[in-house]
Amino acid sequence: SAVISQKPSRDICQRGTSLTIQCQVDSQVTMMFWYRQQPGQSLTLIATANQGSEATYESGFVIDKFPISRPNLTFSTLTVSNMSPEDSSIYLCSVGLAGGTGELFFGEGSRLTVL
Amino acid sequence: EDQVTQSPEALRLQEGESSSLNCSYTVSGLRGLFWYRQDPGKGPEFLFTLYSAGEEKEKERLKATLTKKESFLHITAPKPEDSATYLCAVRVLYNFNKFYFGSGTKLNVKP
Repeated sequence: SAVISQKPSRDICQRGTSLTIQCQVDSQVTMMFWYRQQPGQSLTLIATANQGSEATYESGFVIDKFPISRPNLTFSTLTVSNMSPEDSSIYLCSVGLAGGTGELFFGEGSRLTVL
Repeated sequence: EDQVTQSPEALRLQEGESSSLNCSYTVSGLRGLFWYRQDPGKGPEFLFTLYSAGEEKEKERLKATLTKKESFLHITAPKPEDSATYLCAVRVLYNFNKFYFGSGTKLNVKP
């Protein structure tokens, strides 16, 4: 398994501001993803964070709104830009391990509330 | 269209009352089916991976099974600490990075 640390664990933000979420993994991983979980709903993939290249975004998510960095194999950031109340969600970092049985491991999540 | 459906949305059990959660899936090619447990305010915790029809996995009071169309998570003699939301997800053959998550079953076990 992998130990995944996310910061911040929660935050309250003002409309129109931006917030960057950090994800640190205790080992090098090839696959790293960012998910969103809106209140009472399941997980939606935002993007795949690619090391050394631009992230791959899912339909409905764009780089200008959710810029992602991945400078190395253990760290990534997700920025939620120009926030609105609709961005209030839990944002989850997840990783897949090479040589594992294919499952994803998740961080504890970052709960954002936008006022 | 690939999709995953879980039922019921919520389930209330008395301690010791066994039951099953369902995850039905429609995908063009199954690479794996995964069960997770999620406690409030936390990220999902991995439970099981199933790859092919007929496969079964067990862990304490939980047993996961898989057919060609659905998976069941059987909970035997549950305890209050089993209360959580249980999520299933499928991974598809044609897109290595894509996981489709169900909406989850919220389980409440009363003492």
